[in-house]
Amino acid sequence: QVQLHQSGPGLVKPSETLSLTCTVSGGSIGIFYWNWIRQPPGKGLEWIGSVSYSGSTIYDPSLSSRVTISVDTSKNRFSLNLRSVTAADTAEYFCARDMGVGDFDSWGPGAQVIVSS
Amino acid sequence: SSELTQDPAVSVALGQTIGITCQGDSLRGNYASWYQKKPGQPPLLVIYGQNIRPSGISGRFSGSNSGNTAALTITGAQAADEAEYYCCARDNSGNHLVFGGGTELTVL
Repeated sequence: QVQLHQSGPGLVKPSETLSLTCTVSGGSIGIFYWNWIRQPPGKGLEWIGSVSYSGSTIYDPSLSSRVTISVDTSKNRFSLNLRSVTAADTAEYFCARDMGVGDFDSWGPGAQVIVSS
Repeated sequence: SSELTQDPAVSVALGQTIGITCQGDSLRGNYASWYQKKPGQPPLLVIYGQNIRPSGISGRFSGSNSGNTAALTITGAQAADEAEYYCCARDNSGNHLVFGGGTELTVL
């Protein structure tokens, strides 16, 4: 059974870059699409974007100018970089596997990221 | 605001049946997936595709689609079903994914 493990800092300063990594165990990253999703405090789920094993990406239009999602198949992991963060980027960030079109069947445990000086 | 519209909150008596809806133009011809979200836990996929339940999901959960509306039905609601429920589907452009705003379910 595939498991997703998240890592990265929980505190990021305004204007800096938020970086998170999701390592996949129990299965290959070589199929499906791999996604980042977040939930700001008191708000709903927001899809950030996805990456395939070949490195092709799709991003939410509202974040596309600041986000990069990349994949490292040799290490079976994928990463999120969100640049120029503000307090509005404070959220719990999840990585997830998409086995279809928005069919996220496996999730990381979530990582609380606070943007504050 | 999301391109997928959900009622913010609904309630159901213990043991009764409740339907949670998700409306959006992109749902014409596209399925929605449904997620159960409890505090401190990642979302849990409960329905995807044409009413498919992942392994381990109770048969009390079912999904349906009609026109621009997708629905999640919970039969025989239990206290453990109390959670926020989100739909997810392609956006109107067809190129991205979007979540509905979420529906908070209270079991009375």
